[in-house]
Amino acid sequence: KQEVTQIPAALSVPEGENLVLNCSFTDSAIYNLQWFRQDPGKGLTSLLLIQSSQREQTSGRLNASLDKSSGRSTLYIAASQPGDSATYLCASLNQAGTALIFGKGTTLSVSS
Amino acid sequence: DAGVIQSPRHEVTEMGQEVTLRCKPISGHDYLFWYRQTMMRGLELLIYFNNNVPIDDSGMPEDRFSAKMPNASFSTLKIQPSEPRDSAVYFCASSLRGGQRHTDTQYFGPGTRLTVL
Repeated sequence: KQEVTQIPAALSVPEGENLVLNCSFTDSAIYNLQWFRQDPGKGLTSLLLIQSSQREQTSGRLNASLDKSSGRSTLYIAASQPGDSATYLCASLNQAGTALIFGKGTTLSVSS
Repeated sequence: DAGVIQSPRHEVTEMGQEVTLRCKPISGHDYLFWYRQTMMRGLELLIYFNNNVPIDDSGMPEDRFSAKMPNASFSTLKIQPSEPRDSAVYFCASSLRGGQRHTDTQYFGPGTRLTVL
């Protein structure tokens, strides 16, 4: 059974700092790996989706990488801003494309 | 498009009562998902539909939970009778993907926060 783990559970950084959020998964037979953002009291917003054949995806200040062999993905946030404060969740989609398994998230706080 | 719409946003009820959560997916999306989020277990898939047909309900915790999708624009998740341990945030999501796999990005609604006293 796929398990997705995110470390750390919480992270506080000053504005402007570059940071990395980590995600690990136990079963490397995935279809894709997705990163979501969740703001308090809100639903999830998709940030980046990496297909299993890809190594990374970029959107603005965000860069997500995928290493299937080691069961790891990272989300890199450059020049962090207070508006980046939120909970970030990663999720793996199994090869059958039938189940999206989420980690419990990393709650990020960026102070000005 | 207004996105995925869920109602109510908050629900407080007493143990034993029936609870019905509602979801309107994004028009044209053919997959609909119900998730539950708690501090202890995180975000868990309860059930999903493809073209209004339930495909996988293995995540539904007990027979007290049931879900329906009578048409492409409406789904309900019902809990009867409700228990305090059902307290959680329930999310509905939809995605667009023809075929057998829901591999496209899922769009989430704002959630319904359920509190069972």
